[in-house]
Order: sequence, then C-alpha cells, then structure tokens
Amino acid sequence: DIQMTQSPSSLSASVGDRVTITCRASQSISSYLNWYQQKPGKAPKLLIYAASSLQSGVPSRFSGSESGTDFTLTISSLQPEDFATYYCQQSYSSPYSFGQGTKLEIK
Amino acid sequence: QLQLQESGPGLVKPSETLSLTCTVSGGSISSSTYYWGWIRQPPGKGLDWIGSIYYSGSTYYNPSLKSRVTMSVDTSKNHFSLKLSSVTAADTAMYYCARIFWSGYYQFDYWGQGTLVTVSS
Repeated sequence: DIQMTQSPSSLSASVGDRVTITCRASQSISSYLNWYQQKPGKAPKLLIYAASSLQSGVPSRFSGSESGTDFTLTISSLQPEDFATYYCQQSYSSPYSFGQGTKLEIK
Repeated sequence: QLQLQESGPGLVKPSETLSLTCTVSGGSISSSTYYWGWIRQPPGKGLDWIGSIYYSGSTYYNPSLKSRVTMSVDTSKNHFSLKLSSVTAADTAMYYCARIFWSGYYQFDYWGQGTLVTVSS
C-alpha cells in the first residue's frame, strides 16, 4: 500500500500569509495526487486534482505542485475562510489512501 | 446541481451489519465518466477510502475491509449502497458517499454531507 505523509500536522498563520503544506508519497505516484479542504462538520471539498489542476470554482490563490514523490499545496494569501484541515490523497493505486491531514489555524 | 444524500441507521449493534444508501440527484448514476464511492472518517481522525463501484456493478474495495464490505448499485433508483458486516466499535465513523470523476485521473469531486454511524449495544 502507498503511504501518504503530510507535514506539518498543524500550522498557525495569519490572514494574508503565504502557506505551504507538503505531502510525501512512499513510492512514485506520478501526478495522481489530489488535495481536499475540510471544515468542521462538513464534507471534504476537492481543491486540486492531478497534482496541479485547479478544480472548477476554487479560488486561484490555491495551487499545487510536485517534485518527484513530494507534493505541495500553496495558498498564496490566506483568507479567513481558508482556516480548515487539508488532506492529500493518492489515486495512483488501490487502496486510495489519504494523508493524515494538516490543520490550519488562525495565529 | 449534483447532490448526494446518505441514508441509513445511525446506530448499529456490534456484530451486526451496517447498511447505508447514497441517493444521487441532479445527475445520472449511469454516466460512463464516473465511479461512485464510500469514504469514512472516525471521530477526530482522518479519511479512509472504503470502496468504489461503477454503474455496471464493478467494484473495488479497500483490502483492509474487503472481507466485510459489499457495495451495490441500483440504476433505476439512481442510488448505490454499502453493507459492512460484523461491525465493531472501530467502525464508528462519519460515512460519506462521493462521486469519482474518472478520466485517466481519479478524484472525489462531489461529496454527500455524511452520516454518522455509531456502533454500540
């Protein structure tokens, strides 16, 4: 099975900050990497698919990139509604595993 | 606008079978571009993929649950279902159904609101 490891597990930041969350796969997954945002009591929401493609309707301040087995979600300028938990997920092979999550909190 | 809605008992006794249905509205479950899936989230924890099903009935299950999971689809009712047998307290979780957009890549692009299932006597 492919293991997905996110870092950091939690992060404090301020409105307007640039934030980066990293996800590392235990083996090559090509670009089969998705990012989701989850707010308390809500279902996850797809932000980025195929490592760097922005899902329709998602603000352009969100972006994704990859380097080998390392993947990055960047929020260019944090907005109040961005404070949430973020998950990466690999869709390269079954079982389709998620990272453990990164909780983004207000500083 | 596509909507998915989970339904089923919120309380299941240990050793019994958990049964949930996801009803899809605003779109057809029979589209060739999509799979349909179940994901669960234990309280305060992360997300786990349970399995996926195609409108034809083809299924893919997480090996960790495969011996206990059965998924089915009813295209006439535009819904798909999950059965998880021999449940224990470890199966207590929020259960989400989701649409999976498949075009080479594979992502959960629409989610239901989730339904909390508690396993307790």
